[in-house]
Amino acid sequence: LAKTTQPISMDSYEGQEVNITCSHNNIATNDYITWYQQFPSQGPRFIIQGYKTKVTNEVASLFIPADRKSSTLSLPRVSLSDTAVYYCLVGDRGMDSNYQLIWGAGTKLIIKP
Amino acid sequence: GAGVSQSPSNKVTEKGKDVELRCDPISGHTALYWYRQSLGQGLEFLIYFQGNSAPDKSGLPSDRFSAERTGGSVSTLTIQRTQQEDSAVYLCASSLESGTPEAEQYFGPGTRLTVT
Repeated sequence: LAKTTQPISMDSYEGQEVNITCSHNNIATNDYITWYQQFPSQGPRFIIQGYKTKVTNEVASLFIPADRKSSTLSLPRVSLSDTAVYYCLVGDRGMDSNYQLIWGAGTKLIIKP
Repeated sequence: GAGVSQSPSNKVTEKGKDVELRCDPISGHTALYWYRQSLGQGLEFLIYFQGNSAPDKSGLPSDRFSAERTGGSVSTLTIQRTQQEDSAVYLCASSLESGTPEAEQYFGPGTRLTVT
C-alpha cells in the first residue's frame, strides 16, 4: 500500500512563499492528489487538487512531477492566517485489491510576523 | 446551504459506558466518512460509507467500534465499553461522490469525546 511522507513542521514569515512537499510512492494510477488545511478546533477543508503538472487556484498552487511520486503545495505570500496543519491525500489499491484513501500525517505550518 | 453537522459537540463518559456519535451529512452526498483525531495528531481513518454500505471498514480499531448509516443519510458511530484511549475528536465528512481523493470531503465540526 502507498505511503506518504510530509515534514512534521515548518516555519516561515509573512510575505514569503512556502512550499510543502508530500512524497507518495505507488499511488493509484488514475487518482487525483488532494491537499487539505486544518485550523485548530476545526475539521480539515479542501485547498487544491491535481492529477499532474501544475494546478493553480485563488489560494495555492500544486506541482506534481511526471512520475507522481510527490506533490508540492505552494502558498504564495503567506500571512499569519495561513498558520495551520496541511495534509496531503492520495489513494491506492492494496494487495487485497481494496481501494484505500491514504492521508499524510500533516505538516504544521507556523507563520511568524 | 447547511454543512455537515455532528452531535453532540462534546461528550464526557465514564470508562466502560457505551456512546453514540451522530453525523448528518450534506444533503445529496452519497459518501460519508468517519475519522478519529487524537490531541495534536493527524487524521485516523475509521470507516467509509457509500450509500448505506461500508466498502471500507479497515480503520475500525476494535470490535468495540461499529457504525451504521440509514437511508443514505444520517450515520451513527457507536463505541461500546469505552476506554480512556478512545478519548479524541471524532470527525465526520461527506462527499458528493465515491471515496477517492478527487471527491472533495466536507468536514463537520467534530465530537470531542472524553472518557474518564
